Amino acid sequence: NAGVTQTPKFRVLKTGQSMTLLCAQDMNHEYMYWYRQDPGMGLRLIHYSVGEGTTAKGEVPDGYNVSRLKKQNFLLGLESAAPSQTSVYFCASSYEGQTYTFGSGTRLTVV
Amino acid sequence: QKEVEQDPGPLSVPEGAIVSLNCTYSNSAFQYFMWYRQYSRKGPELLMYTYSSGNKEDGRFTAQVDKSSKYISLFIRDSQPSDSATYLCAMKAIQGAQKLVFGQGTRLTINP
Repeated sequence: NAGVTQTPKFRVLKTGQSMTLLCAQDMNHEYMYWYRQDPGMGLRLIHYSVGEGTTAKGEVPDGYNVSRLKKQNFLLGLESAAPSQTSVYFCASSYEGQTYTFGSGTRLTVV
Repeated sequence: QKEVEQDPGPLSVPEGAIVSLNCTYSNSAFQYFMWYRQYSRKGPELLMYTYSSGNKEDGRFTAQVDKSSKYISLFIRDSQPSDSATYLCAMKAIQGAQKLVFGQGTRLTINP
C-alpha cells in the first residue's frame, strides 16, 4: 500500500545540469500533479496530467517539462537547472480531481 | 492579491487549548474546501473535506465554511503535541481537473 512514491528524496545539482524526478502511484488515479513548495509561497502547481498521455501547464511551468507515458508514472524534468529551482517538489495524485494524495517530497538544491 | 490568504504564523499554544486556523478567499466560485496537515519533512495529508457552506466535525477537528464571508476555519479542540504541524487550507471551484488552490500554510506548535 505505497500510495505515491517519489524518487529521489534528495538531490544536489550544479547549475546547468539536468535531472528527472519520478513519481509513481499505485491507486489507479487518473489525475497527477507536480507542485513546488517554497517558504512563504505555499504550494504552487508546475504541471499536471488528467490521464495517460496528457499533460498541461500549471502556475509556474517555465524551466520544467513533464511526461505521462504510463498511467501510474508522472515524470518531472529539469533540462538546465537554475538556483531558482531550489525547492521541495511534491507529486500528488487524485481519483476525480478532488482530494489529493501527496508523496513525501524531493528536496532539490541547485548550486 | 492572492486567491487564498492564510496567516503563516507561527502559532504556539499550550497543550489542551482550542486552536483556530483561518483562511479567506476571493473567488466566489470555490465550492470544495479542504484542510491538509503537513508534518515536518513530509507531504501534506488530507485532514478535512467540506462541500459548500456549513460545519463538519471529525473527532477533535471541526471545519467551518462561510461562503457569504468567503472565510473558512479549522478548529482543534483539546490540542495535543502531536497536532504540531503546518496546516494548509485548499479549495477549488468544480470537480475534475481544476486545480486546488492552496493557502500558504500556518505553522502550529502545541507546547506540552
